[in-house]
Amino acid sequence: GAVVSQHPSRVICKSGTSVKIECRSLDFQATTMFWYRQFPKQSLMLMATSNEGSKATYEQGVEKDKFLINHASLTLSTLTVTSAHPEDSSFYICSARVAGRLQGTQYFGPGTRLTVL
Amino acid sequence: AQSVTQLDSHVSVSEGTPVLLRCNYSSSYSPSLFWYVQHPNKGLQLLLKYTSAATLVKGINGFEAEFKKSETSFHLTKPSAHMSDAAEYFCVVSDNAGGYNKLIFGAGTRLAVHP
Repeated sequence: GAVVSQHPSRVICKSGTSVKIECRSLDFQATTMFWYRQFPKQSLMLMATSNEGSKATYEQGVEKDKFLINHASLTLSTLTVTSAHPEDSSFYICSARVAGRLQGTQYFGPGTRLTVL
Repeated sequence: AQSVTQLDSHVSVSEGTPVLLRCNYSSSYSPSLFWYVQHPNKGLQLLLKYTSAATLVKGINGFEAEFKKSETSFHLTKPSAHMSDAAEYFCVVSDNAGGYNKLIFGAGTRLAVHP
């Protein structure tokens, strides 16, 4: 149980294009999902917290107009990297917390590797 | 503010020998602590978690960790390393302020296991 998927697993795009990454909780409902970014050989940095039916909460220094987050249902959150540039190349990982459990464990997706040429 | 420090960026052990990955935390109140493992180009897998119950926590794949409040430590151990244990390990503290658990990650420890 508690499986989180991400799609796509890998994407290569040209500079200036937008890329959408999906995060799905497959066997549970998640009122809260989290988006992280991980640079090579570095730790995970929280970008934003996504709450179903409301606006996402962004961490300091993360541009909300560049990283658009939509959490339209209890099983799906999307991250759109708008007008991507090479410096946006990174490993993006989402996690989901079981609905109704504020202190619950976060379950992580397998990640999406974005390469911007 | 919560924070976590992993004391070793790299640890190298021989197969069959014990593993010790060190973690110290800083928290203004009783924390929730986790260890996650990440294999290359993969997502994170939860090894174990401490949430104010027993101080010795047993996890998957033979790993365990002991919460020591007096030392503000949560070191991860395993009696006998296996080649498949080679991976990146993250010690994580949960910041429960604001009613939701925001995870604060340590810098990670890369474990290498030699034959």
